[in-house]
Amino acid sequence: GIQVEQSPPDLILQEGANSTLRCNFSDSVNNLQWFHQNPWGQLINLFYIPSGTKQNGRLSATTVATERYSLLYISSSQTTDSGVYFCAFESNSGYALNFGKGTSLLVTP
Amino acid sequence: DGGITQSPKYLFRKEGQNVTLSCEQNLNHDAMYWYRQDPGQGLRLIYYSQIVNDFQKGDIAEGYSVSREKKESFPLTVTSAQKNPTAFYLCASSKQSNQPQHFGDGTRLSIL
Repeated sequence: GIQVEQSPPDLILQEGANSTLRCNFSDSVNNLQWFHQNPWGQLINLFYIPSGTKQNGRLSATTVATERYSLLYISSSQTTDSGVYFCAFESNSGYALNFGKGTSLLVTP
Repeated sequence: DGGITQSPKYLFRKEGQNVTLSCEQNLNHDAMYWYRQDPGQGLRLIYYSQIVNDFQKGDIAEGYSVSREKKESFPLTVTSAQKNPTAFYLCASSKQSNQPQHFGDGTRLSIL
């Protein structure tokens, strides 16, 4: 199956700092999505981004499908950004998501 | 408000007991999914359903069962055959199978 690698696995930032999270894939993937899981376990869909760039407030994402990677940018980080960020892609059957292992982010005051 | 409701938030299972996790959505979505998350790991698919009265096994279906009698509801039963059921269970839905998925708040299942 397709392998997905998220980096870095862990990240600690001071409030106000910027960061870039990365997802690399071993093969072409379908319909990449980025999720944020807060410390209480709630999973929020941040971006549905098969290709190109999207922005939503302080967050933006870029997927370069031809080079098999996606990036999530967090600018001016806040303590509420803490949690785990997952990238996920649809399996070839198109029926479910395959998740990476996540990047655990801690933003300190 | 539209959304996905999972209940209960916390559930304890005794040895040899079946338990059922509830998932209800009022988003009028056709597709629904159950995922399992273990500590420090991503999500793994247990079962999915594209339409009422139809469902398919995911990667880790052994020891679990589901039903989809109504569009809004997709309950998951953790049977006694599942030897390591302690995990965080997340239900999701999407308008169709290739659309963005939206998740409930999850159920934490533990063994007594």
